[in-house]
Amino acid sequence: NAGVTQTPKFQVLKTGQSMTLQCAQDMNHNSMYWYRQDPGMGLRLIYYSASEGTTDKGEVPNGYNVSRLNKREFSLRLESAAPSQTSVYFCASRGDGDSPLHFGNGTRLTVT
Amino acid sequence: DQQVKQNSPSLSVQEGRISILNCDYTNSMFDYFLWYKKYPAEGPTFLISISSIKDKNEDGRFTVFLNKSAKHLSLHIVPSQPGDSAVYFCAPFPNSGYALNFGKGTSLLVTP
Repeated sequence: NAGVTQTPKFQVLKTGQSMTLQCAQDMNHNSMYWYRQDPGMGLRLIYYSASEGTTDKGEVPNGYNVSRLNKREFSLRLESAAPSQTSVYFCASRGDGDSPLHFGNGTRLTVT
Repeated sequence: DQQVKQNSPSLSVQEGRISILNCDYTNSMFDYFLWYKKYPAEGPTFLISISSIKDKNEDGRFTVFLNKSAKHLSLHIVPSQPGDSAVYFCAPFPNSGYALNFGKGTSLLVTP
């Protein structure tokens, strides 16, 4: 009964390095989301995918790319990390209709 | 432009008293609202929701009120317990599309 699984849990990058944050859900949900949480800023939507094969920008997409690899997996890529991308990243998924979002436990990323 | 605002960043309440967390929104077309609770180092978890066809929804100690004319939501926790200490986010459910944007959150501290 894993729900939404995010890897890694922690990561430290140097400025300019790249990395991919992985997310997988086992609830057969169509929609998946990436958020970042920063102090005083709440949860801000980076990208989302309404269904397999589609992705859309959220509120803060600059500096990120996403891939909806299949129905289960939705990855977030930082091509050239910047200190401003230091944050906690949350992946979420939800089913159809009015069903709520289910979140993973986050990836804490530090860019030095 | 924020579609949802939680104007109180923090709130401190004594154990046993009522906690009231507020949320204002701008789009009168929103017709479903979610509240989430987040503990440190964990992902947000769904708490309670309300549809615009209702003005109140209750689940145990948690009640959400909706005032559509004022575009205002409030979450009441009665009685408050120390375990309720967390950050609370509100989110209007999109009436079209799939982007789900959260308020900045209110950090609730319940003191013994």
